[in-house]
Amino acid sequence: SAVISQKPSRDICQRGTSLTIQCQVDSQVTMMFWYRQQPGQSLTLIATANQGSEATYESGFVIDKFPISRPNLTFSTLTVSNMSPEDSSIYLCSVGGRRETQYFGPGTRLLVL
Amino acid sequence: DAKTTQPNSMESNEEEPVHLPCNHSTISGTDYIHWYRQLPSQGPEYVIHGLTSNVNNRMASLAIAEDRKSSTLILHRATLRDAAVYYCILRDLHKKSSGDKLTFGTGTRLAVRP
Repeated sequence: SAVISQKPSRDICQRGTSLTIQCQVDSQVTMMFWYRQQPGQSLTLIATANQGSEATYESGFVIDKFPISRPNLTFSTLTVSNMSPEDSSIYLCSVGGRRETQYFGPGTRLLVL
Repeated sequence: DAKTTQPNSMESNEEEPVHLPCNHSTISGTDYIHWYRQLPSQGPEYVIHGLTSNVNNRMASLAIAEDRKSSTLILHRATLRDAAVYYCILRDLHKKSSGDKLTFGTGTRLAVRP
């Protein structure tokens, strides 16, 4: 199993600003992912965080809005840039490839005013 | 990608069995059926998965129809802690790009009455 922590756990931000969310795993993992969960909705994959290369974004998500870093096998960051109230969501990181169980972090609750 | 269909919500009484259905009529031969659940204010957690045969673990049982077009997650004795949103997800473990990630549907919100 993998234990995942995220920082911050929650934040309230002003529109137009940016927030960087950190994801730390207690062991080295190959696959890391970032998901968004809008209020009352299911989870939507934002991107796959690739170690040593650019993240792979899903349709509807772009690097300028959600830049991702993955400097090593235990850590990743997601930045939500130039925020608007529509960005108010829970952001979750997860780890685990196709032959593994996926483990999720507790999420970061973001409210944009 | 094959899709799943689940009821939006279900209710159960505490200590009674719960059967959560999932339809996946367009499932491919290499799709594994996964179940995850999301407890309130938490990230999703793995429950169980299977390919063709029924599966049991300490959390639940998974019953898979013979034609694989539907499956049922069985909680043998529901507790209040089992109140969560349950997601049925198809995952092709042989396809690297699509099999690595989880595609969440709307899930079933399970309420457990004391």
